[in-house]
Amino acid sequence: AQTVTQSQPEMSVQEAETVTLSCTYDTSESNYYLFWYKQPPSRQMILVIRQEAYKQQNATENRFSVNFQKAAKSFSLKISDSQLGDTAMYFCAFTIIQGAQKLVFGQGTRLTINP
Amino acid sequence: EAQVTQNPRYLITVTGKKLTVTCSQNMNHEYMSWYRQDPGLGLRQIYYSMNVEVTDKGDVPEGYKVSRKEKRNFPLILESPSPNQTSLYFCASSRDRRMNTEAFFGQGTRLTVV
Repeated sequence: AQTVTQSQPEMSVQEAETVTLSCTYDTSESNYYLFWYKQPPSRQMILVIRQEAYKQQNATENRFSVNFQKAAKSFSLKISDSQLGDTAMYFCAFTIIQGAQKLVFGQGTRLTINP
Repeated sequence: EAQVTQNPRYLITVTGKKLTVTCSQNMNHEYMSWYRQDPGLGLRQIYYSMNVEVTDKGDVPEGYKVSRKEKRNFPLILESPSPNQTSLYFCASSRDRRMNTEAFFGQGTRLTVV
């Protein structure tokens, strides 16, 4: 079975702090993609960052970066210099390449950035 | 502007009354799918379509139907809605079925079945 686990249902930090959201996944496949999606109160699903499993280098997008540990099947998201606009639900997800037809999502982490 | 459009955004209905949630994309994407989002469960796939007239079940297909008569449209049909189908629904599309490129999501439809 392919699963994604986000063990932190809620997190809260002060503006400008750094926060790390955890994600572990389970798959027997070796080729896949990992994603973090942001869902603000508007409900829109916004792609934050993407990582190809065959790449060892961790992906970065401005203030967002990941720590991808393939052997441990871990894919955490780090948000640096957090801003009020980062307040949202964050979902970790992956899709396998061979025969892939879906995104498998975690339960989500609700992140609140306090002023 | 590239987008996936769902309608309606909010819907309250009664048990057993057939309803359709529409989804349309303007990116000429082959792949489209439906997800439902429930607290503590994340998003789960209901149905997907790899092209016109090609559809298949996802992880939670019971109580739902879909059709893909045109490339741009992928409606979700609830023939006899029940309260356990109260949920937030998302339509998504991507350029190909591998979804290694960005998946585009609609704005979501909040459905309440009473």
